[in-house]
Amino acid sequence: QVQVQQWGAGLLKPSETLSLNCAVYGRSFNDYYWSWIRQPPGKGLEWIGEVNHSGYTNYNPSLKSRVTISVDTSKNQFSLTLNSVTAADTAVYYCARKGMSFDYWGQGTLVTVSS
Amino acid sequence: QSVLTQPPSVSGAPGQRVTISCTGSSSNIGGGYDVHWFQQLPGTAPKLLIYANNNRPSGVPDRFSGSKSGTSLSLAITGLQAEDEADYYCQSYDSSLNSYVFGTGTKVTVL
Repeated sequence: QVQVQQWGAGLLKPSETLSLNCAVYGRSFNDYYWSWIRQPPGKGLEWIGEVNHSGYTNYNPSLKSRVTISVDTSKNQFSLTLNSVTAADTAVYYCARKGMSFDYWGQGTLVTVSS
Repeated sequence: QSVLTQPPSVSGAPGQRVTISCTGSSSNIGGGYDVHWFQQLPGTAPKLLIYANNNRPSGVPDRFSGSKSGTSLSLAITGLQAEDEADYYCQSYDSSLNSYVFGTGTKVTVL
């Protein structure tokens, strides 16, 4: 069975950098792409980007200039960095495995951007 | 702003059948990209409900089914139960945006 656990800072000031991490427990980390998805309070879901075990990434063009997703295969972990955050980046951030679709999800981390 | 449009809400009595539509365009659903459905209970992460248009992951009841026609896709819930009260999202890939995209979301209320 696959378990996905995430962690990171939940309160940021405008212009700071968001940093979240996701650890994957179970086999086959190298066989999938791993994504970050966010959901502003009371709103819908937005895909941020993905990474595979080789470090190959794809990003949502709307966020590409501010996003970096990296991978550490020695720990079966991947990370999200989002620069220059504003209040519009306040959301629950999820990490997820991309199989046929997003089939395993982390528990979510609420990140609030406020001065 | 999402490129996949869903009705904001649907409702039904216990035991009834409800359907949720997901309408896209030629750059996503109409372009042959698979559509997937997620159920999100309050305060929890989304759960994969239907993948590749009409397939259920292990453990998902057969009360949930998906169908596709052209640039639209529907999720049907038969034998509606109180535990089905949740938000539902469709998801696909958009070749114009070069991005995975989600629908606007539909809140299902069990009367």
